[in-house]
Amino acid sequence: ILNVEQSPQSLHVQEGDSTNFTCSFPSSNFYALHWYRWETAKSPEALFVMTLNGDEKKKGRISATLNTKEGYSYLYIKGSQPEDSATYLCAFNSGGGADGLTFGKGTHLIIQP
Amino acid sequence: NAGVTQTPKFQVLKTGQSMTLQCAQDMNHNSMYWYRQDPGMGLRLIYYSASEGTTDKGEVPNGYNVSRLNKREFSLRLESAAPSQTSVYFCASRLDRDYGYTFGSGTRLTVV
Repeated sequence: ILNVEQSPQSLHVQEGDSTNFTCSFPSSNFYALHWYRWETAKSPEALFVMTLNGDEKKKGRISATLNTKEGYSYLYIKGSQPEDSATYLCAFNSGGGADGLTFGKGTHLIIQP
Repeated sequence: NAGVTQTPKFQVLKTGQSMTLQCAQDMNHNSMYWYRQDPGMGLRLIYYSASEGTTDKGEVPNGYNVSRLNKREFSLRLESAAPSQTSVYFCASRLDRDYGYTFGSGTRLTVV
């Protein structure tokens, strides 16, 4: 069983502040690292798929970085807004024949007005 | 464009009953997946189908069977439901492993 860890488990941030959280994953047999946003009463939605060491991806105020050699990725949110409140999941896609993502337990982000 | 459609949305079963969860996608995706979500756990992979005609076990396959009926449809069957199978089940699909998942809206299953 692959180990994908996310920290912190939950986070309260004031509206307008910036924040970041971490995903750690196996540094061997890497294929891709995914980030998803999961809002309450909805389904997870893909944010980023990252494949190359040193990758940086950005979507509006949200960005992510990837370090495959040491096995971690950061998700950054700049100038948090109430609509950013959600659970953020990372998921590891290993190389080789097996398919399917291994998900972390998520970081639950609450933006306080 | 409906995306990934799961049925039913809610279901209550008695221990020992059987049922099939249906999943269909209209995006011409090659790969389809079934996950379960339990409190305090990440999404855990039950079974997947990397392409039409193939199925493989994931992390937690015991007590489940799957059928990739065609490219669009991937069903999950519980032959004899147990209380431990109470969970929220998500179906997902993607074009191939270079892409992210599109998730269905989930099925909340309770086994009493």
